[in-house]
Amino acid sequence: AQSVTQPDIHITVSEGASLELRCNYSYGATPYLFWYVQSPGQGLQLLLKYFSGDTLVQGIKGFEAEFKRSQSSFNLRKPSVHWSDAAEYFCAVGAYFGNEKLTFGTGTRLTIIP
Amino acid sequence: GAVVSQHPSWVICKSGTSVKIECRSLDFQATTMFWYRQFPKQSLMLMATSNEGSKATYEQGVEKDKFLINHASLTLSTLTVTSAHPEDSSFYICSARQGMGQPQHFGDGTRLSIL
Repeated sequence: AQSVTQPDIHITVSEGASLELRCNYSYGATPYLFWYVQSPGQGLQLLLKYFSGDTLVQGIKGFEAEFKRSQSSFNLRKPSVHWSDAAEYFCAVGAYFGNEKLTFGTGTRLTIIP
Repeated sequence: GAVVSQHPSWVICKSGTSVKIECRSLDFQATTMFWYRQFPKQSLMLMATSNEGSKATYEQGVEKDKFLINHASLTLSTLTVTSAHPEDSSFYICSARQGMGQPQHFGDGTRLSIL
């Protein structure tokens, strides 16, 4: 069965510092990977996705993620965080083909301190 | 592009009433729509998957007679919580996908409070 692990429940970063959010997945076939962000009381916004091609994926808001098949990881990074980046971040895995559901991680809450 | 609108954003109603939540894809046709439930400080729990013109597929443990899903067109899906009770209070989020290989795009969610 597919699964996603986000080991960090809560991360606190200073504004302007770099950020890395970890995501490990378990999937039987070629994974279709996503990072979503959720602000309080809101839905989810897609940051980026990866299925094939360059393993370093650029997303919106200055985020990027790197797919490492050997480590089953898809970590999210940002070189310099802004106070507006404070939110909940979810990693998810699914299938590119077919109608298979997405499996979400438990989320990482990001707090930004001045 | 890829905007999903969910309505209402917040609803409060008395126990025993039924509540309908709408999910619309505004600028694309959604072959598949999904309904999730999210408890405070938790991840999303998939309730059901619906394809336009066919019956929804419910996840294990989700009562299909309680959570009625209709996907009547390529741009609209509705979730009706029938005879709602306080334990049904939650944050409900829908998503829509244009087709194979496309990501899910999410609505802003509906906060349902049953008194």
